[in-house]
Formats: sequence, C-alpha cells, structure tokens
Amino acid sequence: DAGVIQSPRHEVTEMGQEVTLRCKPISGHDYLFWYRQTMMRGLELLIYFNNNVPIDDSGMPEDRFSAKMPNASFSTLKIQPSEPRDSAVYFCATLRAGHFNYGYTFGSGTRLTVV
Amino acid sequence: AQRVTQPEKLLSVFKGAPVELKCNYSYSGSPELFWYVQYSRQRLQLLLRHISRESIKGFTADLNKGETSFHLKKPFAQEEDSAMYYCALSGNTGFQKLVFGTGTRLLVSP
Repeated sequence: DAGVIQSPRHEVTEMGQEVTLRCKPISGHDYLFWYRQTMMRGLELLIYFNNNVPIDDSGMPEDRFSAKMPNASFSTLKIQPSEPRDSAVYFCATLRAGHFNYGYTFGSGTRLTVV
Repeated sequence: AQRVTQPEKLLSVFKGAPVELKCNYSYSGSPELFWYVQYSRQRLQLLLRHISRESIKGFTADLNKGETSFHLKKPFAQEEDSAMYYCALSGNTGFQKLVFGTGTRLLVSP
C-alpha cells in the first residue's frame, strides 16, 4: 500500500490565483480529513468526509476554500482566490471505519506558498 | 468541547537527559489519547495510543484522568528524537474527530 498520496508536494503561486491540492486516500478507508498546519496555530481540521460525503466543514476558513470528494479514490481542496495568509502545509489524512483507535494515516503534505 | 493543551512550544535538552512533553486535555466523556510525531518536513506518524499501553522508541505516556494529562516521557533522549510532537484527543464511542494540540518541538543537542 502506497499510503495516502498528496500532490503536489510544493506549490508556489501568486496572490489571486486558484490553487488545487489533491489527495488519494488509502483504499478502503472511509474517512478523509483535510488539515492545515501553521507555526502559529498548529494543526487545524478544515473539513472531513465519510463515504465521500462532507460531514463537517466548520473549520473551512472562508468561502475561498472548497473541498470535494467525487469518489472514494480522490479528493481536492481548492482555494480561489489565494492569499498570502493561506501559506501553510496542507495535510490529508484517512481512517478506516471501525479502526478509530488506530489513529489517522497522514499524507506527506503540500507546502503552499502564496506570494 | 474537546481541547488539547501543550504548554511548551519548544523543549530543548541534551542527549541522555530525561524528556517530558506535557499534554493536558479537556473532555467531558471518556477520551482516547494519542501522540503523533513529525520528523523534519515529513508526514505525521502515530507514535503512541494510550489504549495500547505500549512503549515506542523508548517513549511512554500514561493517561492520568485525575489530572487530565497524557504526558510523553523518555528517560534518555537521543538526537534522533528531535522532532515536532503533537498530542491528540478523540472520544471513545464510535467515530469522533481527532483534535490536536499546538505541538511541542523537541530539540536534542549532542
């Protein structure tokens, strides 16, 4: 198993541009989470899905952020338009239902820099 | 509401010294607690789960419900322990989302 796969690993973009981050979960994992990591605030949960359905998006900062999971193998996090304060590392994590005590499996993250 | 507090942003020790990374939590029910570790620019990895009562890489953590704490300890720190450590909490009934503390950076100097 290749684990949780995120792309790209690094993204540098100009303010105002659209940014799309991608995540491929582990096969069979029913839950998918998007986290944002910054020095000041640590790890913040943005949104999570269960069986491709968004369950809780209360952590999404504002309308510029959107996330989709069109199928069990793929999810995207989009920022449009991007701003310098969005610069952070974005992690995707997944979890198999019934294995709640085993913790999440994280991807390698996407380091986003908005200039 | 669930809350995890890691009071120290940075903990700096010398190789061979004991280490204790503090974690306090607030939760009305019965919690599940975890420690995650993130080595430089790598993904977060699960280090410990309180339910398994295991020792990983020499680290242990005991859940103290009276003090609502789950401190991470190691008797003799190694340079390769230098990393970011996150304490995390969820409920223990079915699925509940994981809430992380703000993390503590451990720096072990030779």
